[in-house]
Amino acid sequence: EDQVTQSPEALRLQEGESSSLNCSYTVSGLRGLFWYRQDPGKGPEFLFTLYSAGEEKEKERLKATLTKKESFLHITAPKPEDSATYLCAVTISGSARQLTFGSGTQLTVLP
Amino acid sequence: NAGVTQTPKFQVLKTGQSMTLQCAQDMNHEYMSWYRQDPGMGLRLIHYSVGAGITDQGEVPNGYNVSRSTTEDFPLRLLSAAPSQTSVYFCASSYSGRGTYTDEQFFGPGTRLTVL
Repeated sequence: EDQVTQSPEALRLQEGESSSLNCSYTVSGLRGLFWYRQDPGKGPEFLFTLYSAGEEKEKERLKATLTKKESFLHITAPKPEDSATYLCAVTISGSARQLTFGSGTQLTVLP
Repeated sequence: NAGVTQTPKFQVLKTGQSMTLQCAQDMNHEYMSWYRQDPGMGLRLIHYSVGAGITDQGEVPNGYNVSRSTTEDFPLRLLSAAPSQTSVYFCASSYSGRGTYTDEQFFGPGTRLTVL
């Protein structure tokens, strides 16, 4: 069974304190790994897609990396506006664009 | 572009009632899908459509019906609501055309449904 596991469930950081969120996956034939940001009461907002081990993508203070077993979302010098739930999802080869999601990491950045 | 829109934002139903959650997109996306989000469980796929007239089941389809008569609209129907269908529902869409497609899916703002 395809599984996506995110850790930690919740993370509290001081402003400027860098850290990483983890997404481990067990799937049969990864097509792509996705990171989304979700603010309270809103829909997920697309951040990154990664397709192959060793691939990295950056956007402002966020950097996503991918290995054959997991992905990391590195947050450098976070600000309070980075507070949100970060969701990881995968698509499987041959399964159209069906996203299988992890349960998310709730990030709180304190001023 | 308005992107992906959903109505209503909130809905309360009694057990056994029926209703339709509306989803529309103005990006000419062929692919559309419905997810439900429950605490601690992440988003789960209910139904999806790769184009007008074509729909298929996802991970949790029981109790839900869909149809796709136009590219723009993808309504989700609850024929007889149950308390287990209390959840937040999200519609999403992504581009496909000319023999290719993009993987990125764009989500609507969600409908929060409570079934009493």
